[in-house]
Amino acid sequence: DAKTTQPPSMDCAEGRAANLPCNHSTISGNEYVYWYRQIHSQGPQYIIHGLKNNETNEMASLIITEDRKSSTLILPHATLRDTAVYYCIVRVAGNQGGKLIFGQGTELSVKP
Amino acid sequence: DTEVTQTPKHLVMGMTNKKSLKCEQHMGHRAMYWYKQKAKKPPELMFVYSYEKLSINESVPSRFSPECPNSSLLNLHLHALQPEDSALYLCASSQEVGRNEQFFGPGTRLTVL
Repeated sequence: DAKTTQPPSMDCAEGRAANLPCNHSTISGNEYVYWYRQIHSQGPQYIIHGLKNNETNEMASLIITEDRKSSTLILPHATLRDTAVYYCIVRVAGNQGGKLIFGQGTELSVKP
Repeated sequence: DTEVTQTPKHLVMGMTNKKSLKCEQHMGHRAMYWYKQKAKKPPELMFVYSYEKLSINESVPSRFSPECPNSSLLNLHLHALQPEDSALYLCASSQEVGRNEQFFGPGTRLTVL
């Protein structure tokens, strides 16, 4: 699975959009981009995933660049409850028993 | 029911004790996972079960022994642990191995004295 690079930390004002970048320059054509988050002292939570088209669900939007070498997770109206570590993971669907290889993630702090 | 439950929430054990962690899901998922997470680090995969059979062991020491007695339950038996094994142990499940998002439980915080 391709390696991902994320900034270690970011701040965002409550009510504003939080844009979390992820670089995955060695991504292969059959690898998906997944995003999870982990609120302090809880288990990770799935947010969204995509292959090459932009995706949106009730939690977030995922924008993948045309060359697929980077992506951005967008939380449109961040709240204090969105403070968490956000992990960007690249993996092949059906790969190696479903391994999720977590990188260091981005610690997002949403401030009032 | 879209929940993965784990018991106990906290566990303190000595190096000579034998204990077990339990994980349960009732979503009909056929893949279940154990992860270990040290403080300030990302989760690391330990074991994967697919249709109640062990499919991946990430070279985990034998003092950790997983068991999947049925499709809803996953246990992790602990014996002769070391203080460095103190961590948050997370269980997860998914519909099938490698195909869908994984649902995580809240974890068991283990302290080995």
